[in-house]
Amino acid sequence: AQSVTQLDSHVSVSEGTPVLLRCNYSSSYSPSLFWYVQHPNKGLQLLLKYTSAATLVKGINGFEAEFKKSETSFHLTKPSAHMSDAAEYFCVTAGYQKVTFGTGTKLQVIP
Amino acid sequence: GAVVSQHPSWVICKSGTSVKIECRSLDFQATTMFWYRQFPKQSLMLMATSNEGSKATYEQGVEKDKFLINHASLTLSTLTVTSAHPEDSSFYICSARVGLRGPHPGELFFGEGSRLTVL
Repeated sequence: AQSVTQLDSHVSVSEGTPVLLRCNYSSSYSPSLFWYVQHPNKGLQLLLKYTSAATLVKGINGFEAEFKKSETSFHLTKPSAHMSDAAEYFCVTAGYQKVTFGTGTKLQVIP
Repeated sequence: GAVVSQHPSWVICKSGTSVKIECRSLDFQATTMFWYRQFPKQSLMLMATSNEGSKATYEQGVEKDKFLINHASLTLSTLTVTSAHPEDSSFYICSARVGLRGPHPGELFFGEGSRLTVL
């Protein structure tokens, strides 16, 4: 069985400060992991993905995530938050026939 | 990356009518497509998994006679909400998994979503 747990439902940061969105996974095999962002009333946009190549994955808009097998984590980070980063972020794990979403983390960016 | 097109983006219908939402993979063949529903302020809930040419597999609690899914070709899956009621109002998103041949093998791509409002 595979699952992901997003540890924070809401994260609030000031503009220009670092962002950390936490995700832990559970999988009986090497997982495929993704981070998606969803702006209000919009579809999902892929930020980055991990598919067992490099453990540090760089994505779009300055986001990156590090796969840590020892900690079963795949946290999303960004050095400096921008107002346009305010959105909901989903950590996702995918097997071939099953996709599992985390419960989402709403990121608020304070000017 | 590959593109998944969902249509319509917005639909408003009267209670009791049926609504069809299309999900197309524009530049790849999708062996598997997934349909999700998103309730306000909640995560996406997987409704069903469909493989081309076979019946969809529905998640527990999803009425298969209410939400008809057809995956007739490798580039098109449709979700029909039959006899829609206000409680069916939601944001529906599809995703498509690329086949193992060609670019992006096995990857997952999402549509932009369809907002259904039932009056």
